[in-house]
Amino acid sequence: AQTVTQSQPEMSVQEAETVTLSCTYDTSESDYYLFWYKQPPSRQMILVIRQEAYKQQNATENRFSVNFQKAAKSFSLKISDSQLGDAAMYFCAYRSALEYGNKLVFGAGTILRVKS
Amino acid sequence: DADVTQTPRNRITKTGKRIMLECSQTKGHDRMYWYRQDPGLGLRLIYYSFDVKDINKGEISDGYSVSRQAQAKFSLSLESAIPNQTALYFCATSPDRGNEQFFGPGTRLTVL
Repeated sequence: AQTVTQSQPEMSVQEAETVTLSCTYDTSESDYYLFWYKQPPSRQMILVIRQEAYKQQNATENRFSVNFQKAAKSFSLKISDSQLGDAAMYFCAYRSALEYGNKLVFGAGTILRVKS
Repeated sequence: DADVTQTPRNRITKTGKRIMLECSQTKGHDRMYWYRQDPGLGLRLIYYSFDVKDINKGEISDGYSVSRQAQAKFSLSLESAIPNQTALYFCATSPDRGNEQFFGPGTRLTVL
């Protein structure tokens, strides 16, 4: 079974600075998808960014980008120019491209605090 | 807007009570999921369904049951609630062959 590990329970960043959240995963598959979800205090789960494993190019969405290292099974999220609204819990998630069900496997989450 | 809704948003109940959490969606998606969120554990899959005749157990289905009443409705039941079922519960949907899941606002359940 696949597992996702987020080794940083909490991180802090100064407003306007850059922060990187770590995620590693374990799988024997070669075709899969990776996601970062944001959960603000409202508790809504919001998709931040996704990466297809077959793509070598790292995904970017405005101030959010990933560093996808397939061989190392690493998928970190970089937030540039951090804003107060970025404060939230961030979850890394994995989905197999082959397994029946389209199921997501989540990491334990990282709480991001943004200081003004 | 097409959306995923959950009722109730918050619920407090007592040990041994039966409780149902409901999920409705207007996205027209066939695939629906129930997850449970616990501190330090992230979200874990309870059940998922591809249509009204297709129900599948997830990682932590013990103590739960589900009903897919229609394409748009997927309910989660706790037949006899216990305190360790206190958690935040999410419903999610996904289109066929899509790789993104869309989440409802969550239900905070407390079992005393």
